[in-house]
Amino acid sequence: EVQLVQSGTEVKKPGTTVKISCKVSGYTFSGNYMHWVQQAPGKGLEWVGLVDPEDGKTTYAEKFQGRVTLTADTSTDTASMELRSLISEDTAVYYCAIMGELNSFDHWGQGTLVTVSS
Amino acid sequence: DIQMTQSPSSLSASVGDRVTITCRTSQNVITFLNWYHQKPGKAPKLLISAASTLQSGVPSRFSGSGSGTDFTLTISSLQPEDFATYYCQQSYTTPYTFGQGTKLEIK
Repeated sequence: EVQLVQSGTEVKKPGTTVKISCKVSGYTFSGNYMHWVQQAPGKGLEWVGLVDPEDGKTTYAEKFQGRVTLTADTSTDTASMELRSLISEDTAVYYCAIMGELNSFDHWGQGTLVTVSS
Repeated sequence: DIQMTQSPSSLSASVGDRVTITCRTSQNVITFLNWYHQKPGKAPKLLISAASTLQSGVPSRFSGSGSGTDFTLTISSLQPEDFATYYCQQSYTTPYTFGQGTKLEIK
């Protein structure tokens, strides 16, 4: 069974950095891109970016470019998202998700709530 | 970026009803169109890939159709567990974009 288990809730002050992890089991970590999706409170889904665990190459949404870094560690089957210079609008649940063969997000982590507040 | 327009934004229906949700994309995405539903406090769950391929384990009352820029998700006979928010998503090109969601509520 494929499982994506994310790290826990974070509360951060504006201007600081948060790093969220996503540990994968039940499938070949390097075989699929890992994606991250943001969902602000009461809002829809917004794609953050992707990382290729095989070579570390990344693609980011323009909204997050320059503030986000996605990484993947094949030795621990763990993907991470670092978001810097946090602002209140970054308050959201962040999901990791695997894109499967049909280019859909087949499996999702449980989500990590990040609250940015002074 | 490819813009996604879902309709309706919300929908009230009864158990047993047939329901249709539509998704229009601002550019041709061929059949790179997926459907998810999401319940409060939970992660989205994949229902349909590539416009019409039912995900393993998803009941056959769900079906998807369309190509190009116009797509449809149909639930043939609503069940209590189907009341949720539904999203379409294009995977033709990055940035991958989602529709704004359709909230399906019990009448």
